[in-house]
Amino acid sequence: AQSVTQLDSQVPVFEEAPVELRCNYSSSVSVYLFWYVQYPNQGLQLLLKYLSGSTLVESINGFEAEFNKSQTSFHLRKPSVHISDTAEYFCAVKGGATNKLIFGTGTLLAVQP
Amino acid sequence: GAGVSQSPSNKVTEKGKDVELRCDPISGHTALYWYRQSLGQGLEFLIYFQGNSAPDKSGLPSDRFSAERTGGSVSTLTIQRTQQEDSAVYLCASSLVESNTQYFGPGTRLTVL
Repeated sequence: AQSVTQLDSQVPVFEEAPVELRCNYSSSVSVYLFWYVQYPNQGLQLLLKYLSGSTLVESINGFEAEFNKSQTSFHLRKPSVHISDTAEYFCAVKGGATNKLIFGTGTLLAVQP
Repeated sequence: GAGVSQSPSNKVTEKGKDVELRCDPISGHTALYWYRQSLGQGLEFLIYFQGNSAPDKSGLPSDRFSAERTGGSVSTLTIQRTQQEDSAVYLCASSLVESNTQYFGPGTRLTVL
C-alpha cells in the first residue's frame, strides 16, 4: 500500500521569499507523483506531475518538484512566491495496479506581504 | 474545453434524508472517480469507474453510500439516511483510461444538520 506524508500543515512565508513544501511517500512499487493546488472555495487543480523521465518537473507558474527515489521524496519549491500563491497544496501518489490517488494531508501556504 | 462539472455546488440536508450528487466528466474521459474531503479525514478515495468494468468500490465507507454511472458518462453518488459525519466536500475527477492524470471538478459541499 502507498502512503503520503506532508509534515508541514502550514507554511507562512513573506512575498518574494523562496519556499519548499515537503512531501515524502511510501510504496513498494513504482509510483507516479502529483502536486495539486486548492485555492479557497475551489476544487483541486493539477500543478505538476512526475510520471517518468526527468526527475525535475516544472509548472507554468514557476513551481518545480524533484523526484528523489532514494529519499522517497517529491518536494515542491518556488524561488519567489507571490500573494496569489496562497492556497493549500496536496501531494498525491498513484502506484501499482490501483487507479486511486492517495493524498497527503495538505500544506497551507500562507504568503504575507 | 469544458472541465469536470458537479451539481449542486452546495447541499444542506437533514439527518436521515437521502441525497444525490451529480458529476459530469470531461468529454471522452472513460475513467471517473469520487473522493471525499473532510476536516477529520482529509482527501479519501470513494469509488472508481472505468468503462464497462465493475467499479472499484473499495473506498465506500458504508453501505449507505452507492454510485452509478449511466451510459459511460454522468455519475451519481447517492448517500442514504445521511449522518452528520457525512458532511464533507465530495469531489469528482475524470481521466483518459491511458492517462495517469486525474482532473477534478469544483466539488459539492454537503452539510448534514
